[in-house]
Amino acid sequence: QKEVEQNSGPLSVPEGAIASLNCTYSDRGSQSFFWYRQYSGKSPELIMSIYSNGDKEDGRFTAQLNKASQYVSLLIRDSQPSDSATYLCAVTNDYKLSFGAGTTVTVRA
Amino acid sequence: DGGITQSPKYLFRKEGQNVTLSCEQNLNHDAMYWYRQDPGQGLRLIYYSQIVNDFQKGDIAEGYSVSREKKESFPLTVTSAQKNPTAFYLCASSTQGALGYTFGSGTRLTVV
Repeated sequence: QKEVEQNSGPLSVPEGAIASLNCTYSDRGSQSFFWYRQYSGKSPELIMSIYSNGDKEDGRFTAQLNKASQYVSLLIRDSQPSDSATYLCAVTNDYKLSFGAGTTVTVRA
Repeated sequence: DGGITQSPKYLFRKEGQNVTLSCEQNLNHDAMYWYRQDPGQGLRLIYYSQIVNDFQKGDIAEGYSVSREKKESFPLTVTSAQKNPTAFYLCASSTQGALGYTFGSGTRLTVV
């Protein structure tokens, strides 16, 4: 079993819609959870971090964490063409980050 | 401005050749990391270092070597033992206790 698994893509959504991304992790001891956005050929950039159960909102992004279910998600509201990218879920594991394979999102104009 | 600088941006390696990728940071971060990314895949950890003169193997260390002689620098050598080195290499750094990483811009290595 992979340490971090993300829902398979690609995910195509119309402009203005909500994009929903899911991630599960295997290490119950993980304490910190991150979502990175990566444009093609570029390095990842941190867009959300979450450390406790519940929701965390930042602009059009909402991260949700459920440690009991070992599940973390990212919602992108009012999706824009500029949101078209690959989204990587990352989980701390002994001071290191383990990454999922990523979900590619395409926002259709 | 503080940040992480990776060089070169593109690198071509001949069969049997060792190459070294540079990573320098001026963020005063203690920890540094090297990841490899293959097309359509996530990042896989090669090596990491939490303090100067100390480093640990990650999940895919075979065929790679590193050094950490200075806090600012964490070069990665891709040796001839790495049979499939073509990939996108990312260096990152963080403070201890890691609330997310800062990434460099990456080096794209191609075997010719």
